[in-house]
Amino acid sequence: AQTVTQSQPEMSVQEAETVTLSCTYDTSENNYYLFWYKQPPSRQMILVIRQEAYKQQNATENRFSVNFQKAAKSFSLKISDSQLGDTAMYFCAFTTNAGKSTFGDGTTLTVKP
Amino acid sequence: DTGVSQNPRHKITKRGQNVTFRCDPISEHNRLYWYRQTLGQGPEFLTYFQNEAQLEKSRLLSDRFSAERPKGSFSTLEIQRTEQGDSAMYLCASSLSGTGTNEQFFGPGTRLTVL
Repeated sequence: AQTVTQSQPEMSVQEAETVTLSCTYDTSENNYYLFWYKQPPSRQMILVIRQEAYKQQNATENRFSVNFQKAAKSFSLKISDSQLGDTAMYFCAFTTNAGKSTFGDGTTLTVKP
Repeated sequence: DTGVSQNPRHKITKRGQNVTFRCDPISEHNRLYWYRQTLGQGPEFLTYFQNEAQLEKSRLLSDRFSAERPKGSFSTLEIQRTEQGDSAMYLCASSLSGTGTNEQFFGPGTRLTVL
């Protein structure tokens, strides 16, 4: 069974600053996918960024980037130039080839003006 | 197609009653997932379908829970003899296999309150 740990229940950042959310996972599988999802208050979950485990290059999507360390089983999310709309709960998820996902307990991020 | 839809969005029921939720996935998606999310926690996997076949069920899914996807399109999740501990957000997601991404698209969820 896989486990996903997000060790920061809450974080805050000033608008325009950079913040990094941490995620570690445990698995015996070699091929898998890692995701960061964003869940704004009372709104549905949306994908922020995706990383395939077989790719060594870290994924980047505009202001969002990851630091994927496969040997360390670490998958952190960096948000640059934080915006007020980034305020949300962020979930790290491990997904098997079959598509079954295991989520962390989330990090609540508050961007302060 | 505007995405994954779930109905109802909210359901309040009394303990012991049966409830049924519906999920309509993105039309071309062949995989459909059900998760349960309690306040302050991440979603927990309940079950998933590939087309009409239910391929895996979590141990969280007691015998009071049943899910179906009869024609490989929409799915229903039924909870019989509801208990207060069943109060949660029930999330549905869908994906398309073979794309190499395994990205899941989530619906807005059904919030269940058991009194």
